[in-house]
Amino acid sequence: QGQMQQSGAELVKPGASVKLSCKTSGFTFTSSYIHWLKQKPGQSLEWIAWIYAGTGGTGYNQKFTGKAQLTVDTSSSTAYMQFSSLTTEDSAIYYCARRGGYGNYIDYWGQGTTLTVSS
Amino acid sequence: DIQMTQSSSSFSVSLGDRVTITCKASEDIYNRLAWYQQKPGNAPRILISGATSLEIGVPSRFSGSGSGKDYTLSITSLQTEDVATYYCQQYWSSPLTFGAGTKLELK
Repeated sequence: QGQMQQSGAELVKPGASVKLSCKTSGFTFTSSYIHWLKQKPGQSLEWIAWIYAGTGGTGYNQKFTGKAQLTVDTSSSTAYMQFSSLTTEDSAIYYCARRGGYGNYIDYWGQGTTLTVSS
Repeated sequence: DIQMTQSSSSFSVSLGDRVTITCKASEDIYNRLAWYQQKPGNAPRILISGATSLEIGVPSRFSGSGSGKDYTLSITSLQTEDVATYYCQQYWSSPLTFGAGTKLELK
């Protein structure tokens, strides 16, 4: 059974950067696509980007190009998302998640990391 | 970007009801449609992929149907644990996009 354990809540100041982590287990990391998504309280989900852990290849939602940068560490089966030039609009819950077997839907989700951007 | 429209943002239901939630894409998504259930404080949970394929462990009272632009999630005989918000998601083209969600509330 796959698991995705995300790092803890972050409180950061506007203009700063933050790096969120997502440690995986229970599946072959290097054969997996990892997605990152954003959800503001009471709102729907917004897809940010994916990374293929085997090669580091990525695909981004144009809205987040230059804002989010995805990387992986295959030695620890961990995915990372660096989020830069933070504004209050970036305050949200961020999920890492694994691509399903037959397309870009999500079969496993992390528990989410709450990011609060405030001075 | 493909827009996903869920016709109802919320509606009131009773235990045992049959519930139908609809989702309409702004263009044909060729059955590349997933449904998720989300309860407060939790991550979403996959219910259905490929418009009709029930994921492992999902109760058989859930089913999906549709084609082209129009899709439906049905729940037969609503149980207490089904009270949640439901989202559709298209994965035909990038960027992946989600509906605004349909929240089920008990009468």
